[in-house]
Formats: sequence, structure tokens, C-alpha cells
Amino acid sequence: TQLLEQSPQFLSIQEGENLTVYCNSSSVFSSLQWYRQEPGEGPVLLVTVVTGGEVKKLKRLTFQFGDARKDSSLHITAAQPGDTGLYLCAGTNNNAGNMLTFGGGTRLMVKP
Amino acid sequence: DAGITQSPRHKVTETGTPVTLRCHQTENHRYMYWYRQDPGHGLRLIHYSYGVKDTDKGEVSDGYSVSRSKTEDFLLTLESATSSQTSVYFCAISKTGFNEKLFFGSGTQLSVL
Repeated sequence: TQLLEQSPQFLSIQEGENLTVYCNSSSVFSSLQWYRQEPGEGPVLLVTVVTGGEVKKLKRLTFQFGDARKDSSLHITAAQPGDTGLYLCAGTNNNAGNMLTFGGGTRLMVKP
Repeated sequence: DAGITQSPRHKVTETGTPVTLRCHQTENHRYMYWYRQDPGHGLRLIHYSYGVKDTDKGEVSDGYSVSRSKTEDFLLTLESATSSQTSVYFCAISKTGFNEKLFFGSGTQLSVL
């Protein structure tokens, strides 16, 4: 079983601050997906990274896939209350039937 | 938003009773999935489907069965509900490939007393 560990588990910050959340594993992944989940709703896909070292930007969010494809990070610049939610990373491995493994998530609260 | 509807949204039932959750999609996507989400465990795959009448087990399939008689409907059945099956259940669909770009429903909160 491939495990994905996310850190921190909880993060509470003020509006305007920057933050980074991490998704780490000892296993290599073929791709890494990031989702955001709001209370009472299902996760929503933000981005997929597939190449080691890849960086993708989505407005104030910057996603990076580690060179060895074992880890990923999400950096948010100037966080806003609308960024509040549970951030989930999920990895696939082509050598394991492309099964998707989810991390436990980082719960972010951005206070106005 | 992808057209996924889960029903019911909330259900309370008693131990030992059968329960069926429904997932309906209007996207004609090939792949459908059932997940459960629990504190400390994240999202775990129960069963998935890669076409009509084609289903397979996921990580936590014990105590659950599924059926897909039409492209648009994927049913999850708890044959005899137990308290350990109290959870939030999510259905997801994907079009481009297995486990690629999942679109999730809004979830069903199930409480087994």
C-alpha cells in the first residue's frame, strides 16, 4: 500500500499571509492530483502534475511536483477566507493499476 | 459542475438493516467510484466501475456490494449495516481515464445506530 502523508494537518492563518502545505511519500507516483473540499461538499480537483519538477500555477496557488515524484507542495500567496477548506493530495501509480491513493488532508482556515 | 447526484443526502438507520445509496450522473462518463471519508483515514475506495455491469473491489470493500445496470447509475448496498459503516459516502466519476480527473458528488452522511 502506498501512503501519502500531508502536513500540517491543521493550519489557521490570517488573511493576507502566505502558506505552504506538503504531501510526502516514500513511493514514486506517476501523477499527483490536488483537491479542495469545502464543508458538506465533495472534493473539487484543482490540478494534476505528472512530470518530476513540474510547477503549475492557478491564480494565487502554486503546485510543485518533486523531482523524484515522491512529494508535492501547494503554496498559497496572500491567502483569502475563500481559500478555507480541506486540501487533499492524491497519487496514482501506473505500475499499480493506476490506483489512486489519497492523503489525509490539510485543513486550512483563513481568518478575515 | 459535473452532473452527479447522490441520494439520499442524509440517512439514519439501525444496525442490521440493508441500505442502498444511489449515484446518478448525466455526463455519460465511463468510470464511477464509491468512496468513504472518515476522520483520520481520509478518502478510501470501496468499489469502482469501468462500465455497465463491470465492477471491481477497492481498498475497503468488505460489507459492501455495488451494481451498475445503466451507465448513469451506480448503486452502493450495505447488506447488513454496522456501526463501523457510519461515514460520509462520496460517489465520483471520471471520463478521461481510470482515476484521472475525478468529479465528486456532494456526499451522503450515513449514521448506523
